[in-house]
This record gives sequence, C-alpha cells and structure tokens, in this order.
Amino acid sequence: DARVTQTPRHKVTEMGQEVTMRCQPILGHNTVFWYRQTMMQGLELLAYFRNRAPLDDSGMPKDRFSAEMPDATLATLKIQPSEPRDSAVYFCASGSLLTGVQETQYFGPGTRLLVL
Amino acid sequence: KNEVEQSPQNLTAQEGEFITINCSYSVGISALHWLQQHPGGGIVSLFMLSSGKKKHGRLIATINIQEKHSSLHITASHPRDSAVYICAVLVYEEKLTFGTGTRLTIIP
Repeated sequence: DARVTQTPRHKVTEMGQEVTMRCQPILGHNTVFWYRQTMMQGLELLAYFRNRAPLDDSGMPKDRFSAEMPDATLATLKIQPSEPRDSAVYFCASGSLLTGVQETQYFGPGTRLLVL
Repeated sequence: KNEVEQSPQNLTAQEGEFITINCSYSVGISALHWLQQHPGGGIVSLFMLSSGKKKHGRLIATINIQEKHSSLHITASHPRDSAVYICAVLVYEEKLTFGTGTRLTIIP
C-alpha cells in the first residue's frame, strides 16, 4: 500500500532553532508539494517540485525557509531560524503529471510543528 | 475575497440525512479537488474532477465549469463521515488553491 511518509510527525522546538522536515513521496510520482495548515490561514501551498526541480516557491518566506529534493525519494523543508508564527502542520503531497494530465495528489500524515 | 469560497462553514446533521456542501471559485481552473480531513488531521483526496459528475460509494461530486461551482453530496450520512471537507482548485497546472473548509458533524 504505497503512501507518502513524513518525519518527524511532531516537533517542539525553541525559537531560533533550525527545523528540518522530511518527506518520502510515493515511488514513481514526479511531483512533490509542501503545504502548511494553520487555524488562521487554512491550507497554503509553500512550494512544489517536478522531477526534482523547484517550480514554484512563491508561497515560502524566502529568508528563513528552504525546500530541496536531494533525490527522487526525499524532499526536505527547512526553517532557519524558526519563529513562533511558523507553528503549523506541514503536509507533503505527491502526484504525477504525465503528458499534461494531472493525477490526484496523495497527502502525507503531516508534521505538527510547535515553536516556543 | 478568497478565490475559493465554501458553504456552509459548519454543518450538523442527523445520521441518514442527505448532505450538500458547496464550493464556488472565481478563477479559471483546470480541475477541482474535494479533500476530506479527518479529526486526527490526515487528508484524503476524495475526488478530482474537471467536468460533469463523479460517484464513489455514498459520495457524489459535481462541477459546473460555466458557473464556477461544485457540490459534494453525501447520501445516507453516517457519523464516520464527520470531518472537514475542503474544496481546492487547480490553477496553472498543479497549484492548488484551497477553500476554508466545511466542518461536518453527523449525529447518531
């Protein structure tokens, strides 16, 4: 049963610390998305990759957030330095865009981040 | 004004009732997703549609591209259907823009 995995599931850290979240997309999917969910803003797209290349990261605060795909099986989202307003649930999702047809996205379980 | 509007924001119904959740959007889209977020936080994609109607079990999703409107229906609702239902539109190939969600509570 293929699924998107995310680690850690929960993270509590102090303001100013670096946070790294990891995502393993479903094998064979060529598109990976990072989303953030807060009570105030709901779900927001932060960044996404296709075939490991970043396509859009306009939703991310550039000064502190960075997203990478070191290989096809791993996507990372880093926050440095973290701030209390970064507290949220961060979801990774993967999908396929083949010959212009977008297939459905599969969501990971999320990383619940609390920055004190 | 949000690009994606959902109504109602909250809905409480008795088990067995027919449920309708609405989604209106203001931008051109290539497709629309209906997502279900369980109380535990997990998100499941229920439907992705770009025209007409899709059915899966007791769930039916319809979309009217001309009117920029979609509906999600649940027949014979059950307490396990209690969740937040989120409409998301696909803009520029893959970018999803989300509605604020409808919190559904089904009372036994």
